Amino acid sequence: AQSVTQPDIHITVSEGASLELRCNYSYGATPYLFWYVQSPGQGLQLLLKYFSGDTLVQGIKGFEAEFKRSQSSFNLRKPSVHWSDAAEYFCAVGAGGLTGGGNKLTFGTGTQLKVEL
Amino acid sequence: DARVTQTPRDKVTEMGQEVTMRCQPILGHNTVFWYRQTMMQGLELLAYFRNRAPLDDSGMPKDRFSAEMPDATLATLKIQPSEPRDSAVYFCASGSGTGGGYTFGSGTRLTVV
Repeated sequence: AQSVTQPDIHITVSEGASLELRCNYSYGATPYLFWYVQSPGQGLQLLLKYFSGDTLVQGIKGFEAEFKRSQSSFNLRKPSVHWSDAAEYFCAVGAGGLTGGGNKLTFGTGTQLKVEL
Repeated sequence: DARVTQTPRDKVTEMGQEVTMRCQPILGHNTVFWYRQTMMQGLELLAYFRNRAPLDDSGMPKDRFSAEMPDATLATLKIQPSEPRDSAVYFCASGSGTGGGYTFGSGTRLTVV
């Protein structure tokens, strides 16, 4: 069964500082990996995704993530955080292809980001 | 931008009442998911459909929950009878199959009193 671990429940950074949110996954084959962001009272917005190819993927809002197979990780990074980045961030893993399990996503428990001005 | 539309946005109901939540997926998307979000359990997959056919509803309490797609433009999630423990935000998401990257709706916040 696929699973995702986000070890940090809360993270606080100063505006302008760099950010790294950790994500570790468990999946038997090559996973499809995602990062979503959720602002209060809103749905989840896709930041970026990894399917194959270049292990460093660029997303919206200046975010990037790096897939490291040897570490089963897919950490999210941003060089300089803005106050508007304060939100909850979810990592998710999904099966690839049209298998019997389909492409359902399993989400981590989320990391709440607070940005200090 | 194309959106997944969920109605109602908020619903307060009394225990024992029937609740119906609706979702209009993005036109052309063939996969629809229902997730439930609570503080305690996080995001839980309840059910999902591909080409309107249910693929997996193992996350749903079968005795009270049901999910259907009467047509390609409408997915419904019903709870009958509702219980206070069903209070949560219910999200619908749609996508175009392989690879995920689904688009989520804004959710229905359900409160059962």
